[in-house]
Amino acid sequence: NAGVTQTPKFQVLKTGQSMTLQCAQDMNHNSMYWYRQDPGMGLRLIYYSASEGTTDKGEVPNGYNVSRLNKREFSLRLESAAPSQTSVYFCASSDPPWTGGNTGELFFGEGSRLTVL
Amino acid sequence: DQQVKQNSPSLSVQEGRISILNCDYTNSMFDYFLWYKKYPAEGPTFLISISSIKDKNEDGRFTVFLNKSAKHLSLHIVPSQPGDSAVYFCAASGWGNNRLAFGKGNQVVVIP
Repeated sequence: NAGVTQTPKFQVLKTGQSMTLQCAQDMNHNSMYWYRQDPGMGLRLIYYSASEGTTDKGEVPNGYNVSRLNKREFSLRLESAAPSQTSVYFCASSDPPWTGGNTGELFFGEGSRLTVL
Repeated sequence: DQQVKQNSPSLSVQEGRISILNCDYTNSMFDYFLWYKKYPAEGPTFLISISSIKDKNEDGRFTVFLNKSAKHLSLHIVPSQPGDSAVYFCAASGWGNNRLAFGKGNQVVVIP
C-alpha cells in the first residue's frame, strides 16, 4: 500500500536550473496538492488540483508550475530555481465529500528535500 | 496573513500526563478542522478531525474540542506517551474548499 509517492527524495540545484518533482497516488483520490514546509512557517499550499483536468493556485504559487497528468499523477515544476525555493516539498491527495469522497483528510507523501545553491 | 495560529511552539510533558495543544483561527468560513502529527523526515499523518456541527470529537487517547464562538480548538492527548513526541499541526478549511490552511505547528516532547 504505497499511498502517495514522491520523487526524488533529495535534490540539489544551482540557481537558474529547472527540475520537476513527481507525485503519484494509488488511492483513486480526486484531489491532489503540493505544499512546502519551511522552518517556522508551517505548511503552505503552492498549487492544488481539485479534480483531474483542473489546477488552482494556492498561497505561494510564484515560481512554480504544475501539471495534473492524469488522476494518479500531479507534478510540480521549478522553471528557474532560486535559493528562496530551498524547502521540503510535500505532495498530498484527498477525496473530500464535495467531490464524492468520504473525508477531507489529506494523505501526504514522505517529502522531497530541495536545496538551491 | 496567518489564518490558523498555533502559539506556544513547544511543549514538554511527562509521560502519562495530559498534553493540550491550542489553535485559533480567524476565518469565520472555516467549518472543518483537522490535526496532523509529523515525525522528522516523514510526511504529516492525519490524527483527528471535527466539523463545525460538533463541539467535541474523540478517538482513543485523542480528543479535539471546538469553540466556534471563540474561533478556538484544542487537542487533548491523554495519557501522553513517548511515541507522541512529534510536531502537531492544526489545519482548517471551509466546506467545499480544497484550500486547507495549516498552522505553524507545535513541537511536543513527552518525557519518559
